[in-house]
Amino acid sequence: EAQVTQNPRYLITVTGKKLTVTCSQNMNHEYMSWYRQDPGLGLRQIYYSMNVEVTDKGDVPEGYKVSRKEKRNFPLILESPSPNQTSLYFCASSLTSASRTQYFGPGTRLLVL
Amino acid sequence: GENVEQHPSTLSVQEGDSAVIKCTYSDSASNYFPWYKQELGKRPQLIIDIRSNVGEKKDQRIAVTLNKTAKHFSLHITETQPEDSAVYFCAPKLNNNDMRFGAGTRLTVKP
Repeated sequence: EAQVTQNPRYLITVTGKKLTVTCSQNMNHEYMSWYRQDPGLGLRQIYYSMNVEVTDKGDVPEGYKVSRKEKRNFPLILESPSPNQTSLYFCASSLTSASRTQYFGPGTRLLVL
Repeated sequence: GENVEQHPSTLSVQEGDSAVIKCTYSDSASNYFPWYKQELGKRPQLIIDIRSNVGEKKDQRIAVTLNKTAKHFSLHITETQPEDSAVYFCAPKLNNNDMRFGAGTRLTVKP
């Protein structure tokens, strides 16, 4: 089944404790991205990747890192999480950056205390 | 960058009525105009989209209309049903990866 998966789905952590949210797609998509969703603000892009070893900042990259060592995986890293990073995070992928449809993962709800 | 606004932010209609959500954008180079639906606790999913060389597109009860001159596009849902209740996002896109989502419209369809 073609899909985008994220892990964990729910996470409670404390300020400053490094964490990684994984994202994986099995559709051989070139383009992958991370969004955070906050009430009243819609989805804001954090980082995106147009292909392996190619990543770039989105609208709200501060406090986040990403890597794209393999085509299928695009982990989101919070080196030192802070409470303002409490949010719902979505990973998405599409065949290419010009493709119309983005496929979203199920979301990761993060609470930073 | 693209500035995207959606109106209204909330919309409540009676079952069977029509619903219209409008999205305005700032970048005249935008050429792809999708609408996503996000049900409570679920991921966003594309429901309809339109390219800049087309003025209107229909898919059963939903349609999207585009006014490139005025830089806005709208989602139309006819004969609304309770299962249409969700948050709807527009996300106008340039040729590159720059996709900006609107803040969302919460649609409630009352039985």
